[in-house]
Amino acid sequence: ILNVEQSPQSLHVQEGDSTNFTCSFPSSNFYALHWYRWETAKSPEALFVMTLNGDEKKKGRISATLNTKEGYSYLYIKGSQPEDSATYLCAFGSINNDMRFGAGTRLTVKP
Amino acid sequence: ETGVTQSPTHLIKTRGQQVTLRCSSQSGHNTVSWYQQALGQGPQFIFQYYREEENGRGNFPPRFSGLQFPNYSSELNVNALELDDSALYLCASTHWRINSPLHFGNGTRLTVT
Repeated sequence: ILNVEQSPQSLHVQEGDSTNFTCSFPSSNFYALHWYRWETAKSPEALFVMTLNGDEKKKGRISATLNTKEGYSYLYIKGSQPEDSATYLCAFGSINNDMRFGAGTRLTVKP
Repeated sequence: ETGVTQSPTHLIKTRGQQVTLRCSSQSGHNTVSWYQQALGQGPQFIFQYYREEENGRGNFPPRFSGLQFPNYSSELNVNALELDDSALYLCASTHWRINSPLHFGNGTRLTVT
């Protein structure tokens, strides 16, 4: 994988459902993996920065895992709320000082 | 602390013209990066500046150039504008540490006609 790929492209869930997204990235030249939440009419907001294989991060109902050897990260949202509706972006930071973003997963949580 | 601010918020230019976009980084941050986001795509990395030097560049032609000033604010200059340059341009600042997140501005929406 040369680029960063995110799946699914979009997701519609009911309030209270748990959900997860996938980010696939190059397994070479790894430096850091970032997750951002981007709400409409706002700027992207950092959720997590992960650097070590096996890293797990948690912030409230949101958590993320990292596998640098196989080149993937999962983002989990437990008990989705309408305010979780946003586009979730992952970004691969390489040792060459560039940052490659995926196209994002657009999450819609229905009340 | 002051966040990342970008100006202008919207801009309309004609093909062939030149444009300068500005970004004030968050206080305490010494690294600035610029991104182009076209509709339906993720942000595409243009370049990064650290201590007034470009130290990382994405796959953009030389007509995309930048500057970082001693106060760590930055400019993105685009010469010979093309229709495909129409996009949202995001600036992000951070502190040069491995686990530092990016702090984004609200972006400049550029339309080239």
